[in-house]
Amino acid sequence: SQQGEEDPQALSIQEGENATMNCSYKTSINNLQWYRQNSGRGLVHLILIRSNEREKHSGRLRVTLDTSKKSSSLLITASRAADTASYFCATDLFIQGAQKLVFGQGTRLTINP
Amino acid sequence: NAGVMQNPRHLVRRRGQEARLRCSPMKGHSHVYWYRQLPEEGLKFMVYLQKENIIDESGMPKERFSAEFPKEGPSILRIQQVVRGDSAAYFCASSPLSGGDTQYFGPGTRLTVL
Repeated sequence: SQQGEEDPQALSIQEGENATMNCSYKTSINNLQWYRQNSGRGLVHLILIRSNEREKHSGRLRVTLDTSKKSSSLLITASRAADTASYFCATDLFIQGAQKLVFGQGTRLTINP
Repeated sequence: NAGVMQNPRHLVRRRGQEARLRCSPMKGHSHVYWYRQLPEEGLKFMVYLQKENIIDESGMPKERFSAEFPKEGPSILRIQQVVRGDSAAYFCASSPLSGGDTQYFGPGTRLTVL
């Protein structure tokens, strides 16, 4: 199946450090999205990067996409305690004109004060 | 513009009962998606609907599960004769278009089957 895989599964860093999470996928995509999920809550959309884009920024977030390696990375700079959450990448899969998102298992990020 | 609304937020059912989960998409969105999340896992696609049509239900179990998105009112995910393995968080997402567009997620319904 075309499931993204996040790496690492868990990451614990000190406040102020940068956090990097990686995502790999298996087949061609149109776009890749990153979501954040706080414990017991819904998903918050962070960034969408299209297959013809290589890098995208949003505030303290930087996403890269390497379609040749079928991988993406999410960098959070100057981390804060509030960044503690699970982060998921999702790739789109089109079947007969219908889009669905295929999620990885997620990276659980803990920011220690 | 309110976001995607789901209710109830928490639902407890005994084995064999029915569970009905509701989702109201964002205003102007006509595409609804349901996903299921088991503990410590990512979300798994279940079904994609447009108004009055099921477009893709490939991720939904054939037995006991059904979904609808009527012309008026919210989308409903219905689980009949629930079993303990149905315990999960069920998320609804909506988008204005299909294809290359962001899906916006609701807060989810956490179903617990006793």
